[in-house]
Amino acid sequence: GENVEQHPSTLSVQEGDSAVIKCTYSDSASNYFPWYKQELGKRPQLIIDIRSNVGEKKDQRIAVTLNKTAKHFSLHITETQPEDSAVYFCAASISGTSYGKLTFGQGTILTVHP
Amino acid sequence: AAGVIQSPRHLIKEKRETATLKCYPIPRHDTVYWYQQGPGQDPQFLISFYEKMQSDKGSIPDRFSAQQFSDYHSELNMSSLELGDSALYFCASSFSGLGGDEQFFGPGTRLTVL
Repeated sequence: GENVEQHPSTLSVQEGDSAVIKCTYSDSASNYFPWYKQELGKRPQLIIDIRSNVGEKKDQRIAVTLNKTAKHFSLHITETQPEDSAVYFCAASISGTSYGKLTFGQGTILTVHP
Repeated sequence: AAGVIQSPRHLIKEKRETATLKCYPIPRHDTVYWYQQGPGQDPQFLISFYEKMQSDKGSIPDRFSAQQFSDYHSELNMSSLELGDSALYFCASSFSGLGGDEQFFGPGTRLTVL
């Protein structure tokens, strides 16, 4: 089955700095890669996603890149703000089938210091 | 917009008791997923249903069972509860059609086993 590795496990930055979180996946059939932000005790919230036919996607301060050959994808947050502090999860799935379960990375605790 | 509904939001049970968690997916979504998230852990896939049929199964204990009903709501039944079953249980729904990759998470049910 799919295995997703996520690094780093914790990330501390100053407000205004950039943050980068990296993930690798094992199953070459995976074609959908979402990123979730989760605050303590709350549901995971989708912040950005990318499909395997796209190499990069950007939404304001957030961008995701995908390298299918290396089975590697990354989340980039620019101009970080204290409100960005949360746990971030990457995930992978095979979309378009009835087997679209998400396999999550281990999570990254991001702390943005004012 | 309608979101995924889960009930109850909090549940406290004793060891060896049973629990039933309910999930009401977004209207017209045909796929339901159940995830278990232990403290400090990433969400782990339990089971999924597509058009009321079980479509995939993950690390779900034999003590757990689930089904999806004719109105598309789903229930996760947990028997002989153990301390280790204490976790957040999320239900997510999605639409399997074109562009329907995103899984929408419910607010979760926090199960505490004493």
